[in-house]
Amino acid sequence: QQQVKQSPQSLIVQKGGISIINCAYENTAFDYFPWYQQFPGKGPALLIAIRPDVSEKKEGRFTISFNKSAKQFSLHIMDSQPGDSATYFCAASGDSNYQLIWGAGTKLIIKP
Amino acid sequence: DAGVTQSPTHLIKTRGQQVTLRCSPKSGHDTVSWYQQALGQGPQFIFQYYEEEERQRGNFPDRFSGHQFPNYSSELNVNALLLGDSALYLCASSWGYWVYNEQFFGPGTRLTVL
Repeated sequence: QQQVKQSPQSLIVQKGGISIINCAYENTAFDYFPWYQQFPGKGPALLIAIRPDVSEKKEGRFTISFNKSAKQFSLHIMDSQPGDSATYFCAASGDSNYQLIWGAGTKLIIKP
Repeated sequence: DAGVTQSPTHLIKTRGQQVTLRCSPKSGHDTVSWYQQALGQGPQFIFQYYEEEERQRGNFPDRFSGHQFPNYSSELNVNALLLGDSALYLCASSWGYWVYNEQFFGPGTRLTVL
């Protein structure tokens, strides 16, 4: 019940296209869902996060869509750019448990 | 502000040895969390320190221990190293231990156990 399943493992998108990464969780007590971006040789950096009281959150070209009934959430990157090429991790937490449970990551490559 | 810093950058040890990794949090932060990131995997939570005490611990054996100093910096110690301990060790700092507070990560220490 503590797992977060992330897909796809890798993704290649043309410049200007939409990148979509999906995550699913099982623990219904999770109430915090962040996405992190990690470049090679760097630690992860928080990109955007959502709480379950809203179904969508948008920050610039990045949007989180959240489906509470399906226990799924996804990251959409609009107008994808080569500089977006990185590994993206979803995570979840809650249930009075302060640990972040992380997905396995998606390696995104944006082709110019 | 230098952000979260970690030392050393890389480390090579042999099985059975002991290792100490260090972390300096971002200025103004009082909470430090440690993660292990195996190649191609997401980070796994090891433990979190707040007010110089281990506040929460993940599913890691007692070979993994830590410490937080009065200046909020922290150390991660691993005893009796195993080959499977080879990973990137990440330190993250935040203001307060609440999970909703943004965690800022350092670049990590790459540990190789031979």
